[in-house]
Amino acid sequence: GAGVSQSPSNKVTEKGKDVELRCDPISGHTALYWYRQSLGQGLEFLIYFQGNSAPDKSGLPSDRFSAERTGGSVSTLTIQRTQQEDSAVYLCASSLETSGRASEQFFGPGTRLTVL
Amino acid sequence: GNSVTQMEGPVTLSEEAFLTINCTYTATGYPSLFWYVQYPGEGLQLLLKATKADDKGSNKGFEATYRKETTSFHLEKGSVQVSDSAVYFCALKGVGSNYKLTFGKGTLLTVNP
Repeated sequence: GAGVSQSPSNKVTEKGKDVELRCDPISGHTALYWYRQSLGQGLEFLIYFQGNSAPDKSGLPSDRFSAERTGGSVSTLTIQRTQQEDSAVYLCASSLETSGRASEQFFGPGTRLTVL
Repeated sequence: GNSVTQMEGPVTLSEEAFLTINCTYTATGYPSLFWYVQYPGEGLQLLLKATKADDKGSNKGFEATYRKETTSFHLEKGSVQVSDSAVYFCALKGVGSNYKLTFGKGTLLTVNP
């Protein structure tokens, strides 16, 4: 299985707790993206990594959200002091490049976050 | 900013019916346009794409033509199957931010035998 993987697949947490969501991109893909899929807002871009740096964090909804990527591979999205409006499916995608023929984004199955 | 508007669902069709899902966009210049599909229990998959005006993307019997004059990228299939039941998302990549996908809200398609 060489696709994008995400863990956990489901996460239920209590309001105010911190959560970490993990993404393992396809090996060799330099670009990594986080999106959020929620009932009210549809699919929204959160953040993009090129290698280990994040040139665009503009989609992060608040300073409670942060993300990092290490070794040009695994990425972790952290949500601090979770709120009920954070409940959504968090999708990760990766691509070989950001433009041209190799720019197709391959998506993982997502992590469904429920904040009680 | 960039935006995508697609027809509200859900759409329910009988097998072998003709499918159209409308999609229009707002963006400067010439964005790249995409249709993604999300089958039940699976991740988003790229269905087809078009990168310049008048291009036609096609895959698995689905087609969509990039119409600059009407800023549209409608998805069509001549004869749907039960296995086409899924959520379909229209999306674009803008000229200025060519890494970021902007999605429509999705259209749920159910095909009955």
